[in-house]
Amino acid sequence: QITLKESGPTVVKPTQTLTLTCTFSGFSLTTPGVGVGWFRQPPGKALEWLALVFWDDDKRYSPSLNDRLTLAKDTSKNQVVLTMTNMDPADIATYYCAHSNPTTCFDIWGQGTLVTVSS
Amino acid sequence: AIQMTQSPSSLSASVGDRVTITCRASQDIRNDLAWYHQKPGKAPNLLIYAASSLQNGVPSRFSGSGSGTDFTLTISSLQPEDFATYYCLQDNSFPPTFGQGTKVEIK
Repeated sequence: QITLKESGPTVVKPTQTLTLTCTFSGFSLTTPGVGVGWFRQPPGKALEWLALVFWDDDKRYSPSLNDRLTLAKDTSKNQVVLTMTNMDPADIATYYCAHSNPTTCFDIWGQGTLVTVSS
Repeated sequence: AIQMTQSPSSLSASVGDRVTITCRASQDIRNDLAWYHQKPGKAPNLLIYAASSLQNGVPSRFSGSGSGTDFTLTISSLQPEDFATYYCLQDNSFPPTFGQGTKVEIK
């Protein structure tokens, strides 16, 4: 059974860096084709894709946020870490991670974590 | 980036109704489209992948069709647990992009 869970701060100050960790089980990020993606959803708004890391460490980022995002995977800990620099109130959202495979796309999601940006 | 235009943005329907939601891509995405539903405070749940394949465990009242630029999600007989917001997602090319969502409400 695949599960994912996001963790990190619930509040960050403007201009600070957000670090979120996705801890997963039930699959390995060394399996060909597998990936872990990150998404966010501002309150009352639509979903937005942020980033994706593949089993071979290929990484893709949203063009609109590319200069602020960094992904790192730790296969020994079954974790993927997303960092987002220069946080702004416009970044207030629930952040999700999700399992990805070539067949079923983003099929299993974590429960999400709400991040607020406030001084 | 590929734009996904989803319609309608909201609809009201009764239990037992047939419901159809559409998504149009700004360019050909073959069949690289998924449908999700999302209830308030919960994560999205995958219903359909590859435009028409039913995800394991999803009731057969859900079906998807289309290819190229025009796609449809159909719920054949709406059930109380289906009142939610529905999103399409294209994963044909980076960045993956979502439709703006369709909120299905009780009439």
